Amino acid sequence: GAVVSQHPSRVICKSGTSVKIECRSLDFQATTMFWYRQFPKKSLMLMATSNEGSKATYEQGVEKDKFLINHASLTLSTLTVTSAHPEDSSFYICSALVGADYEQYFGPGTRLTVT
Amino acid sequence: DAKTTQPPSMDCAEGRAANLPCNHSTISGNEYVYWYRQIHSQGPQYIIHGLKNNETNEMASLIITEDRKSSTLILPHATLRDTAVYYCIVRGFGNEKLTFGTGTRLTIIP
Repeated sequence: GAVVSQHPSRVICKSGTSVKIECRSLDFQATTMFWYRQFPKKSLMLMATSNEGSKATYEQGVEKDKFLINHASLTLSTLTVTSAHPEDSSFYICSALVGADYEQYFGPGTRLTVT
Repeated sequence: DAKTTQPPSMDCAEGRAANLPCNHSTISGNEYVYWYRQIHSQGPQYIIHGLKNNETNEMASLIITEDRKSSTLILPHATLRDTAVYYCIVRGFGNEKLTFGTGTRLTIIP
């Protein structure tokens, strides 16, 4: 099946700094990727839809100036958490849309801890 | 997309079949039923999907009732590695997004 990778797998940063998370489709091209966040023992919440070559579409309540998404190529989307604060600590997961049936393949996730 | 209802947790003995129910009584004709699972601290994994016919693949079987208002995911011979949260998601044809509910936490007991 399609493989999606994320880097880094975990990151610790200080409050006020920015962190970039990469999502790559390894063996296919993905014009559409998605970013989710997941708090402990909670379900996944869709943050935004990332479209190659165009601006991301954010879900209601997600600050687009805080969570910058760039999808500059067909195999890479990045999420930058700007001026991170402890409440941004979470598990961030990306996925890529594959095939005519719109299957989504997920990356392994990135655990962000802001101290 | 139609909402789904799943039991919050289930246990199953190792080696037995695990049957996970999902209720989607408001499903409409062009909506598919998808199943994903998430093992602790990993990204979700696609399992199977269907429209109205029963489906089977190397991981599981999906049984959809004739009125399509409910479905059951069957893991035929559960192993300890099947311990995970299982999400049943209904998605309309052409809708790219997945909306995750709370899922069923399946624990396989040795």
